Amino acid sequence: AQTVTQSQPEMSVQEAETVTLSCTYDTSESDYYLFWYKQPPSRQMILVIRQEAYKQQNATENRFSVNFQKAAKSFSLKISDSQLGDAAMYFCAYRRIDNYGQNFVFGPGTRLSVLP
Amino acid sequence: GAVVSQHPSWVICKSGTSVKIECRSLDFQATTMFWYRQFPKQSLMLMATSNEGSKATYEQGVEKDKFLINHASLTLSTLTVTSAHPEDSSFYICSAAPLGLVPSEQYFGPGTRLTVT
Repeated sequence: AQTVTQSQPEMSVQEAETVTLSCTYDTSESDYYLFWYKQPPSRQMILVIRQEAYKQQNATENRFSVNFQKAAKSFSLKISDSQLGDAAMYFCAYRRIDNYGQNFVFGPGTRLSVLP
Repeated sequence: GAVVSQHPSWVICKSGTSVKIECRSLDFQATTMFWYRQFPKQSLMLMATSNEGSKATYEQGVEKDKFLINHASLTLSTLTVTSAHPEDSSFYICSAAPLGLVPSEQYFGPGTRLTVT
């Protein structure tokens, strides 16, 4: 079974600075999807970024980028120029690429605080 | 686009009663919907996978008779918590996988907070 680990229960960053959230996963599959979701206090899950494992290039979405190391099974999220609105729980998630097990496997989450 | 709604957003019910939570995909059709449970300060735990027109697939440890799931149409799935007890109090989130689009896409509802007194 696939597992997702986030070793940092809490992180903090100064506004305008950069922070990196860690995620590792375990799978025997060669192709899959990885995601970072943000859950603000409203508790609405918001997709931050998605990576397809067969793509070598790291995904980027504005101030958010990932460092995907497939061999190491590592998928970290970098937030640049942190803003107060980035404060939230961040969940790393894994999903198989085929039609079986379409569900996500979520990590335990990292609570990010942004300090003014 | 790709909006998922849940109703109600919060509900309080008495122990022993049943409560139904609706999950709707508002602007797309969803072949598959997922129901998650989230305890305070914890991650999302998948409860069941709901496929339109067929029986739901429950995760290990989730009581099928207690958490009844119905996916009657491509835009609606319901979760009914039967004979609710205080330990069923939690935050319930659904997500929907669009029909015909990139299979990685899923969209989450805003969640329903259930409190059983």
